[in-house]
Amino acid sequence: EAGVTQFPSHSVIEKGQTVTLRCDPISGHDNLYWYRRVMGKEIKFLLHFVKESKQDESGMPNNRFLAERTGGTYSTLKVQPAELEDSGVYFCASSQRTGPRQYFGPGTRLLVL
Amino acid sequence: QKEVEQDPGPLSVPEGAIVSLNCTYSNSAFQYFMWYRQYSRKGPELLMYTYSSGNKEDGRFTAQVDKSSKYISLFIRDSQPSDSATYLCASLNSGGSNYKLTFGKGTLLTVNP
Repeated sequence: EAGVTQFPSHSVIEKGQTVTLRCDPISGHDNLYWYRRVMGKEIKFLLHFVKESKQDESGMPNNRFLAERTGGTYSTLKVQPAELEDSGVYFCASSQRTGPRQYFGPGTRLLVL
Repeated sequence: QKEVEQDPGPLSVPEGAIVSLNCTYSNSAFQYFMWYRQYSRKGPELLMYTYSSGNKEDGRFTAQVDKSSKYISLFIRDSQPSDSATYLCASLNSGGSNYKLTFGKGTLLTVNP
């Protein structure tokens, strides 16, 4: 069974540019989550999808971040325009049910210069 | 006060040593307590979790939760070089928001051959 995949693995962009991160969850997992780790800090929750619906986006830093999950399959997280403080590792996770058993992807390392 | 506190280490031990990793938490609503292992350039991988207080053992790994003192522990017996990784504790509510993992910063463990 394929795990959670994320693309790209790395992205280096300049301040003000737009970046789109993609996550493909494990097949059949209705729940999809985005988390972020900023350097020196702990991994923090960004938002939660159930199928194509956003259930909780309370962790999204501001309106420069937009997440979508078209058709309840893969998800994208767009940052527009990117700022220096957006640098970090963005993790996607998925699960069949809510609860402790979440499966994480390898993350996308974003560097905003 | 952070909801989950974890000493980031680093921690270096010889092969065969018993390793003790610890976290404290402040949110009394947390009911699930998880330990994730993260290898370099990979995503977090769930090692084990406990519900409420008590112990759970899985091979060389034992997780302990003491809700009275809000203390979470992971013990690794007969540590191996392959155990070298970052260990993340995380907590989760039960009920309505039982998907929003709250992480500690992680402890970097190195097991030397």
